[in-house]
Amino acid sequence: DTEVTQTPKHLVMGMTNKKSLKCEQHMGHRAMYWYKQKAKKPPELMFVYSYEKLSINESVPSRFSPECPNSSLLNLHLHALQPEDSALYLCASSWGEDGNTIYFGEGSWLTVV
Amino acid sequence: AQTVTQSQPEMSVQEAETVTLSCTYDTSESNYYLFWYKQPPSRQMILVIRQEAYKQQNATENRFSVNFQKAAKSFSLKISDSQLGDTAMYFCAFMKLDNDMRFGAGTRLTVKP
Repeated sequence: DTEVTQTPKHLVMGMTNKKSLKCEQHMGHRAMYWYKQKAKKPPELMFVYSYEKLSINESVPSRFSPECPNSSLLNLHLHALQPEDSALYLCASSWGEDGNTIYFGEGSWLTVV
Repeated sequence: AQTVTQSQPEMSVQEAETVTLSCTYDTSESNYYLFWYKQPPSRQMILVIRQEAYKQQNATENRFSVNFQKAAKSFSLKISDSQLGDTAMYFCAFMKLDNDMRFGAGTRLTVKP
């Protein structure tokens, strides 16, 4: 089973709202990722958690706040977003060892109005 | 910084024929991993094939194979006996040992009946 589950699948939020995207995997993977993908563009790395510690932060604005409560869960807290933040947000996981394959969820479509 | 270049924004192929998608990359790393991912209209990122840079033998997965030229920093994907279900966006990806994975701009492949 190589399933990464993301909720919600679709989210519409106002610029003053606070919301969260959630991601869960039960494969025992120790690395989890957030990617952002705009239309007709490749995914862009935002954050990497390795063994529940933030290991990569690609200079993402503070209005995006990641959280890894345990090795199976990854959240992305959203606050004061801008319309240009509307995108597909992809969660992924891997064993965390060198070069292990990254498995992706189906994504959460975010629209900021 | 690593860069991944896919020089073919769009390609098409007749069903049952063979097509090759190109990818080049730039890195100063000696150990790394390369991947091809497929993203159909559903937007789920699906692993197609993976290659370890320390392996000279080209990876194969059923109808999919790669031509990995380390010195030339080239990593092309060959799809044999193309099927309608192969229609998708194909992303070439480079991963360093710290789980930092970056994507090329993508090639949109259309398989025609």
